[in-house]
Amino acid sequence: ETGVTQSPTHLIKTRGQQVTLRCSSQSGHNTVSWYQQALGQGPQFIFQYYREEENGRGNFPPRFSGLQFPNYSSELNVNALELDDSALYLCASSLAGGLADTQYFGPGTRLTVL
Amino acid sequence: AQRVTQPEKLLSVFKGAPVELKCNYSYSGSPELFWYVQYSRQRLQLLLRHISRESIKGFTADLNKGETSFHLKKPFAQEEDSAMYYCALSGNAGGTSYGKLTFGQGTILTVHP
Repeated sequence: ETGVTQSPTHLIKTRGQQVTLRCSSQSGHNTVSWYQQALGQGPQFIFQYYREEENGRGNFPPRFSGLQFPNYSSELNVNALELDDSALYLCASSLAGGLADTQYFGPGTRLTVL
Repeated sequence: AQRVTQPEKLLSVFKGAPVELKCNYSYSGSPELFWYVQYSRQRLQLLLRHISRESIKGFTADLNKGETSFHLKKPFAQEEDSAMYYCALSGNAGGTSYGKLTFGQGTILTVHP
């Protein structure tokens, strides 16, 4: 079984810049979800993609956007970075994104905004 | 709105003692509840989910809809159980059917020898 991978591991950006984070889902998983985890907090849902379409979105502004590709890879893009965007970003893949589906998490990308 | 509350940020027990990690939720529909665990230097992984009604690594959790709770229990804690534990809810509020997870803030469990 190939697990979920994310790149890069760490990233440092300055306020106002744009960033792209990447995720590779488990083979066969049609759904990818992205979460933001601030220090000392539980992960917070950003959005979910199912077969390359956004399937649902949490309480995040439009400057957070995503893409999902047919080869089980996906991206999270954040424009106009703010200091509060500093966090661990997790992606998670699942078979079909259903309510009871297990989500398999990647190791995360640690983003620091200066 | 979906909400998950884990009232204890830290929980310490001795090896062999019973452990209970508390989780309460707020949700208007019929939720799916999960416990995820993160061991040191490892990624977040599923421990168990209520729909499976299984025991994993000696842990069990019962969904109590009356008390809106999903506490995680183990009768005899082991040192290797030391980790961060997150309770999470997946709900279909708003008519959607996708699995959006709402997490609690987590409980750090430390099992002393």
